[in-house]
Amino acid sequence: AQSVTQPDIHITVSEGASLELRCNYSYGATPYLFWYVQSPGQGLQLLLKYFSGDTLVQGIKGFEAEFKRSQSSFNLRKPSVHWSDAAEYFCAVGARSGANNLFFGTGTRLTVIP
Amino acid sequence: DAGVIQSPRHEVTEMGQEVTLRCKPISGHDYLFWYRQTMMRGLELLIYFNNNVPIDDSGMPEDRFSAKMPNASFSTLKIQPSEPRDSAVYFCASSPPAAATIGDGYTFGSGTRLTVV
Repeated sequence: AQSVTQPDIHITVSEGASLELRCNYSYGATPYLFWYVQSPGQGLQLLLKYFSGDTLVQGIKGFEAEFKRSQSSFNLRKPSVHWSDAAEYFCAVGARSGANNLFFGTGTRLTVIP
Repeated sequence: DAGVIQSPRHEVTEMGQEVTLRCKPISGHDYLFWYRQTMMRGLELLIYFNNNVPIDDSGMPEDRFSAKMPNASFSTLKIQPSEPRDSAVYFCASSPPAAATIGDGYTFGSGTRLTVV
């Protein structure tokens, strides 16, 4: 069965600083990998996804993520954080076969300070 | 398109009462998912439908929970009787057919925050 671990519950960064949010997954094969963002009082919005090919994927809002098979990781990065990036970020794993649903990590809350 | 529409946005009810949450998926999306979000357990899939038919309800916590999708544009999640531990944010998401098999293209509603006192 697949699972997702986001080891950082809460991260605080200064505006303009770089950001890396960690995500580790457990799955018997290469899964589909996703990052979603949830702003307060809102639903989840897809930031980016990895299916195959280039292991560095670009998403919306200047985010990118790198799939590292050897580390079972899919960390999210942004070179310069904006105050509007303050939100909850979720990593998710989707199976390549079987049940058609996503398994989500517990999320990382990002606070951006001026 | 107005996106996935959930109602109500907030619901406060007393323990033992029946609660009905509603979802209108995006037109043309034939997969519909109900998720529950809590601090302790994060996001959990409760049930999902394909073409109005429940496909996997293994995430439904107990018999007090039931979900229906009488037509392609409407789904309900009902809790009867409600308990304080049901307090959570309930999300509905929909997806077009080609995307749903790999989790691509899920569109989430804004959620219903349920508080059972």
